[in-house]
Formats: sequence, structure tokens, C-alpha cells
Amino acid sequence: AQSVAQPEDQVNVAEGNPLTVKCTYSVSGNPYLFWYVQYPNRGLQFLLKYITGDNLVKGSYGFEAEFNKSQTSFHLKKPSALVSDSALYFCAVRDGGSYQLTFGKGTKLSVIP
Amino acid sequence: DTGVSQNPRHKITKRGQNVTFRCDPISEHNRLYWYRQTLGQGPEFLTYFQNEAQLEKSRLLSDRFSAERPKGSFSTLEIQRTEQGDSAMYLCASSRDSTTQPQHFGDGTRLSIL
Repeated sequence: AQSVAQPEDQVNVAEGNPLTVKCTYSVSGNPYLFWYVQYPNRGLQFLLKYITGDNLVKGSYGFEAEFNKSQTSFHLKKPSALVSDSALYFCAVRDGGSYQLTFGKGTKLSVIP
Repeated sequence: DTGVSQNPRHKITKRGQNVTFRCDPISEHNRLYWYRQTLGQGPEFLTYFQNEAQLEKSRLLSDRFSAERPKGSFSTLEIQRTEQGDSAMYLCASSRDSTTQPQHFGDGTRLSIL
């Protein structure tokens, strides 16, 4: 079975400050990891993925994520937060043998002007 | 690419009625997925198709739920004899035929059961 934990329901950060949204995962095989963002009454928008290779992956809108195999973590980061980054962020995992994504419960990011 | 399209965006119905939702995937994507999202939760996997073949089904997909993808293009999700607990956002996603490719989501159909 695969699972994802997002330990923070909400993260508040001041505009211009760096942000981190945390994610830890559990999967039986090699993990395929994804971050998505969701705005109100909209679907999920893909930000970035880790499949293999460099532990630091870069994605859309200046977001990046760091894969840490020993800590089974895949934290989302951005050097300088924008008010427009305020949204709901979901981490998701699947193992290489399945197309089924398992999502965390989401973290609400609020960027304060 | 025009994105994943879902219709209707909102559906309000009385308990016990049948409802059907439609999903049009991105045209070159041969894999299609259905998820359900309730308030305060992440999406939960329901089922997925490779072309017209339904290859995985979650235990969440009770006998009242049926999904089809005739001809491997659009898909429909039908819920029979709706119950209060069926109230949720139903999300459709599609992807290319590769395990490394991300799933791209539509804006969902929000179902409200009166």
C-alpha cells in the first residue's frame, strides 16, 4: 500500500519570504512523486515531478522540490513567495507498477502581503 | 493542448436519482482516470482506463457506480440511486502512455445530493 502525509494543514508565509510545504511518503517500490496545486472550484494543476535522477527538481512558477530517500520526504519549496501562490497544495505518490495516484490531504498555503 | 474537459460543472439532484458525468481527455492521451474529492481531503482514486479497457477499479467504486470509455475517447461515470454520501467533486484526469508522465486534471463535476 502507498500513502502520503502532509503534516501541516495550513502554512502562512509573508510575501517575499521563502516557503516550504512538507510531504512524506510510503511506497513499496521506487516512488514516483508529484506536486499539484488547486485553486478554489478548480481541478488540480501539475507543478513538478520526481521520477529518478537529481534530488532537486524544478517545476512551474518558480517552485522546486527536494527528494530525500532516507527521510522518505519530498518537500515543496519556493525562494520568494507571491500572494498569487495562495492555494491548496497536494503531494501525490505512486510506485512504478501502478498508475493509481495516492494523494495527501493537502496543505493550504496563505501568502500574506 | 486544450486540456481535460468535464461536463456538467455542477449537478444537483435528489437522493435516489441517477446521474451521469462526462469527461473529454486531452486528445493524444490514451489513459484516463476518475477520482473523487470530498471537502478537506485529497482526491481518491476510483478507476482508470487504457484506451477503452478499464484496468483498475478501487474498492470505493461500489456496484452503484459504473464507468465506460467507448472507443477510447471520452468517458462517462454513472452513479445509480444516489445517496447523500455521494456528494463530492468528481475529477477526471488523463495522461500519455508512460509511467513517468503526470496526470492532467479537469476542473471536475461537483455533485450535490438533496
